[in-house]
Amino acid sequence: SAVISQKPSRDICQRGTSLTIQCQVDSQVTMMFWYRQQPGQSLTLIATANQGSEATYESGFVIDKFPISRPNLTFSTLTVSNMSPEDSSIYLCSVEAGNTIYFGEGSWLTVV
Amino acid sequence: GDSVTQMEGPVTLSEEAFLTINCTYTATGYPSLFWYVQYPGEGLQLLLKATKADDKGSNKGFEATYRKETTSFHLEKGSVQVSDSAVYFCALSEDTGGFKTIFGAGTRLFVKA
Repeated sequence: SAVISQKPSRDICQRGTSLTIQCQVDSQVTMMFWYRQQPGQSLTLIATANQGSEATYESGFVIDKFPISRPNLTFSTLTVSNMSPEDSSIYLCSVEAGNTIYFGEGSWLTVV
Repeated sequence: GDSVTQMEGPVTLSEEAFLTINCTYTATGYPSLFWYVQYPGEGLQLLLKATKADDKGSNKGFEATYRKETTSFHLEKGSVQVSDSAVYFCALSEDTGGFKTIFGAGTRLFVKA
């Protein structure tokens, strides 16, 4: 398994601003993923972040809105840019280990 | 493409009742199957998993059996507790050149004392 820490755990953000979420893993992992969970909904994959390459974005998500960094095998960041109330969600970092996905506690963002 | 279908919630049960949450899937290959649980105000935790047909995953009194013939992975617990109140997500993963996990819509469970 893997232990994943995310920061911030919660934040209230003004519309039009940007926020960067950090994800730290306690072991080296090849694949890291960023998911979004809108209120009362299931999880939607935003992008896959592999170290040493550009992130791969899912349909409906673009790099300008959700830039991702993956500087090493234990860390990644997701930025939510130019936020609007529709971006109010839980953002979850996850990693693959032993063909299983493990999640952090999530970053609960409210945009006002 | 791959998909996961769960029974709609919410499901409301009394303490010590028997729980079943249905989950069926479609996949092109041989996926691994998972149940995740999300307690109020928390992130997702892996509850159990099964990686091949007829495998049974179990944890904390919950069980699910990988049924390839019916493409199902139903979650069961013989006697639920108030502390089991949460949202349960069924999911599948396939390594098809790029590892990807597909989640069901989630089923909210309320357990009354």
